[in-house]
Amino acid sequence: DTGVSQNPRHKITKRGQNVTFRCDPISEHNRLYWYRQTLGQGPEFLTYFQNEAQLEKSRLLSDRFSAERPKGSFSTLEIQRTEQGDSAMYLCASSPLASGIETQYFGPGTRLLVL
Amino acid sequence: AQSVTQPDIHITVSEGASLELRCNYSYGATPYLFWYVQSPGQGLQLLLKYFSGDTLVQGIKGFEAEFKRSQSSFNLRKPSVHWSDAAEYFCAVGAKGGKLIFGQGTELSVKP
Repeated sequence: DTGVSQNPRHKITKRGQNVTFRCDPISEHNRLYWYRQTLGQGPEFLTYFQNEAQLEKSRLLSDRFSAERPKGSFSTLEIQRTEQGDSAMYLCASSPLASGIETQYFGPGTRLLVL
Repeated sequence: AQSVTQPDIHITVSEGASLELRCNYSYGATPYLFWYVQSPGQGLQLLLKYFSGDTLVQGIKGFEAEFKRSQSSFNLRKPSVHWSDAAEYFCAVGAKGGKLIFGQGTELSVKP
């Protein structure tokens, strides 16, 4: 069990550029979640996958955001045409359960700064 | 809609003193409740969780929390705070699909 990993840890980009983040969950965890955390706030749910299926997307996830988990293992979160309001910490978490509610294990996050 | 409220944005305690961080939730069914801790620039680490059973749950690092259904609360406690406990603490409730709904957090500072 090596934990949840996220890359890159930090990303600085200019407004209008596209960025992509990667999350590697704990091996064999069925569920993978993405959250966004802005300064001074708690994490807010963005989307989640059960294996390769994306089952729910928050209203926070505008059409500039897309997430994939192509083989049910790692996941990517892409933001197109970044805006300054996208600056935040993007957290990934995984959970072993296929249904219900179970403990989520978080990665260290990717901190995005849009200039 | 489900929600979590942490009334205290920032708390300062002296090292060795006791600690209580407040958490109130709004949820229609039996809640699944969590406390996570976040050090600066880091991800979240689970301290403890309540799913059912004994309403007083023990966690890591000497923390405990008590679920009180009548008060819709799940307060976090520690009898003696250490300087290394300085961090941000988040209370969360599990919702449909397993997603977590977090409070805005309480920042804990520890005075020497």
